Amino acid sequence: AQSVTQLGSHVSVSEGALVLLRCNYSSSVPPYLFWYVQYPNQGLQLLLKYTTGATLVKGINGFEAEFKKSETSFHLTKPSAHMSDAAEYFCAVRPKTSYDKVIFGPGTSLSVIP
Amino acid sequence: NAGVTQTPKFRILKIGQSMTLQCAQDMNHNYMYWYRQDPGMGLKLIYYSVGAGITDKGEVPNGYNVSRSTTEDFPLRLELAAPSQTSVYFCASNSAGTGVTGELFFGEGSRLTVL
Repeated sequence: AQSVTQLGSHVSVSEGALVLLRCNYSSSVPPYLFWYVQYPNQGLQLLLKYTTGATLVKGINGFEAEFKKSETSFHLTKPSAHMSDAAEYFCAVRPKTSYDKVIFGPGTSLSVIP
Repeated sequence: NAGVTQTPKFRILKIGQSMTLQCAQDMNHNYMYWYRQDPGMGLKLIYYSVGAGITDKGEVPNGYNVSRSTTEDFPLRLELAAPSQTSVYFCASNSAGTGVTGELFFGEGSRLTVL
């Protein structure tokens, strides 16, 4: 069965510093890959997704993620953190080969220190 | 664009009471889901539906029931509420099929407290 791991349940960065949130998946065939963001007291919204083609994917609010097949990773980055980036971030996967449910990672809570 | 709409946003129940969380989507998605989110525990799938008249259990279905009589609506029924059902509930929907990425669209959540 597929699984998703996110290293670090809590990450703190200073405002203006690089944001790096890690995501690894377990699958022999690369799945569809997603990052969702959940701001306090809100639902989840799609930040970005990887389907096929270019491995560097750009999303909303300056975030991007790079798919690395050899490392089975899909880490999320942002060059310069802003206070408004403080939120919960979820990595998720869905198999391409047949329909199956979206599998979520446990989430990483990002704090931004002024 | 309404997307996925959940009601109510907040509710307090007494132990043993029952209630229904409503969910509606206007994107003509065939799949719909109910998740619960507890602090620091991520999302757990309660029930899902692949189309009108078809539902199936997720990871944590005990104490809940669902029905899907139309494509648009997917209500979640709590029977005999227990304190362990205190949580935030999210409804989501997506399109599914070969070649479809299937990203989920979420409602804003329903915060339920059972006392």
